[in-house]
Amino acid sequence: AQSVTQLDSHVSVSEGTPVLLRCNYSSSYSPSLFWYVQHPNKGLQLLLKYTSAATLVKGINGFEAEFKKSETSFHLTKPSAHMSDAAEYFCVVYNQGGKLIFGQGTELSVKP
Amino acid sequence: DSGVTQTPKHLITATGQRVTLRCSPRSGDLSVYWYQQSLDQGLQFLIQYYNGEERAKGNILERFSAQQFPDLHSELNLSSLELGDSALYFCASSVESLNTGELFFGEGSRLTVL
Repeated sequence: AQSVTQLDSHVSVSEGTPVLLRCNYSSSYSPSLFWYVQHPNKGLQLLLKYTSAATLVKGINGFEAEFKKSETSFHLTKPSAHMSDAAEYFCVVYNQGGKLIFGQGTELSVKP
Repeated sequence: DSGVTQTPKHLITATGQRVTLRCSPRSGDLSVYWYQQSLDQGLQFLIQYYNGEERAKGNILERFSAQQFPDLHSELNLSSLELGDSALYFCASSVESLNTGELFFGEGSRLTVL
């Protein structure tokens, strides 16, 4: 069965510093992986997706994620955090049944 | 703005009652998905409809039901409500019948059961 584990429930960074949100996945085959973002009182928005093409995936708002099969990881990064990045981030794996399995979420706080 | 509209945004009701949540998908999208988000369970997939037909089922309780109408809007009916049903209910839409993972979410309907 497919699953994702987000290693941090909360991450706090200062504005202008790098962001790293960690995600490990479990899958018996080559997975499709996604990152979604949920701003306060908003719906979820797709940030980026990996579907077995390039292992480094670029998304919106300067975010990117690298698929590392050997480490079963799909960490989300951004070189420089902005106040508007404060939100909850979900790592998601697509399972063979055509369903999305969401991680528990990582809340990102950005300090001025 | 994702183009997915959900009503109502907030709903407060009592145990044992029944409520209906409504969702209008993005223009052109044929699939509608319902998700429940709660603090203890996280985001759980409930059910998917494609062009009026049930396409996939997740962790949906028997007390819950959904349908998609010819104009493609969808309704999620929750009955015999319990305190544990308090959650944020999201609707999402996509063009295809097969969930490719690229979904457009509404802003959710927050249900509080007292």
